[in-house]
Amino acid sequence: SSELTQDPAVSVALGQTVRITCQGDSLRRYYASWYQQKPGQAPILVIYDKNSRPSGIPDRFSGSSSGNTASLTITGAQAEDEADYYCNSRDSSGNHVIFGGGTKLTVL
Amino acid sequence: QVQLQESGPGLVKPSETLSLTCTVSGGSFSRYYWSWIRQPPGKGLEWIGYIYSSGSTIYNPSLKSRVTISIDTSNNQFSLNLSSVTAADTAVYYCARVLAGTWADFDYWGQGTLVTVSS
Repeated sequence: SSELTQDPAVSVALGQTVRITCQGDSLRRYYASWYQQKPGQAPILVIYDKNSRPSGIPDRFSGSSSGNTASLTITGAQAEDEADYYCNSRDSSGNHVIFGGGTKLTVL
Repeated sequence: QVQLQESGPGLVKPSETLSLTCTVSGGSFSRYYWSWIRQPPGKGLEWIGYIYSSGSTIYNPSLKSRVTISIDTSNNQFSLNLSSVTAADTAVYYCARVLAGTWADFDYWGQGTLVTVSS
């Protein structure tokens, strides 16, 4: 299939660890990347190539993958991490880009 | 620092063509893929398509019949045309750069521009 599925909402207590998941058949073959989007702002790439961080992204953000599921883990969540998170990857053909529906992260 | 800036009309009438331009500054324009992505109000991200600096394109199959992306390397710009628009095309439209060596990692984004389809 050519869909990526994310939980609509996840919450985490300040300073705790949270995992946000992304499921899809194409993830068995292609890696997922992750974006953070705050209200009224453009998305920011936080993880690419499964577990690489662009310059300036804190090391509390990490990525992993197993089977058809990719995960974004935030270790020691901060208040500023409250945002929408989107995964993306290629579709099963490998030629097109697909996004997950997004997960709203609330930091309590 | 690479910067992308979208420009174009904020209001388009139904059945007409939506046209946007993205101007890139502060970095190399050649040998990158450049992309358009949109986000309807309150909803998720949808990839529209991308263009390589050589001019080759790949489009989202769901939009392919209505989309044209073109490039002007002399002015470091690329453009989006979306024809026969309806209210469902109302969205914030982003332009973005694809990280070198990857297919789907967008490392630089414009701020986005809201396009409303309404008569």
